[in-house]
Amino acid sequence: EDQVTQSPEALRLQEGESSSLNCSYTVSGLRGLFWYRQDPGKGPEFLFTLYSAGEEKEKERLKATLTKKESFLHITAPKPEDSATYLCAVLPGANSKLTFGKGITLSVRP
Amino acid sequence: EAGVTQFPSHSVIEKGQTVTLRCDPISGHDNLYWYRRVMGKEIKFLLHFVKESKQDESGMPNNRFLAERTGGTYSTLKVQPAELEDSGVYFCASSQDSSLAGGLSNEQFFGPGTRLTVL
Repeated sequence: EDQVTQSPEALRLQEGESSSLNCSYTVSGLRGLFWYRQDPGKGPEFLFTLYSAGEEKEKERLKATLTKKESFLHITAPKPEDSATYLCAVLPGANSKLTFGKGITLSVRP
Repeated sequence: EAGVTQFPSHSVIEKGQTVTLRCDPISGHDNLYWYRRVMGKEIKFLLHFVKESKQDESGMPNNRFLAERTGGTYSTLKVQPAELEDSGVYFCASSQDSSLAGGLSNEQFFGPGTRLTVL
């Protein structure tokens, strides 16, 4: 069964304090790993897709990386507006149903 | 480009009543998905439409849930009769045909969700 584990559950950072969010996964034939951002009361907002080990993608202060067992979302010099829940999800080879982790709630203090 | 829209944003009903949730996908997206998040748990897949056909409904909890997508445009998810454990946030997502992305997996774009509370 496909499984996604995200850690830590919650992370509090000072503005400008860089850190990384972890997503460990097991999946039958990874077709894609997705990172989403979710703000309170809203739906998940797409950030990145990673397809194969070694791949990296960047967007503003965020950088996502992928290995065969895990993905990291690195946040460089975060700002308070980066506060949100970050979700990781995997898409298996056999179907189109995303398997999500529980998410990591990030809080950035000014 | 308009995103995925869902209606209503909130619904509070009593156990035993019926509720119908609606989802309008992004125009041109053949794939439509329903997901659900119950309190304290991760978002879980319910079912997947390709146009008007159910491609995968392996995540539907039981036969009290009925999803339709007549004409391959918007979709409805009906819960009848609702039970307490059906409370949660129901998300709809849509994506393009994967053949348009060279066979690579396509991003699923999510709507804002419908928060369902069953009392």
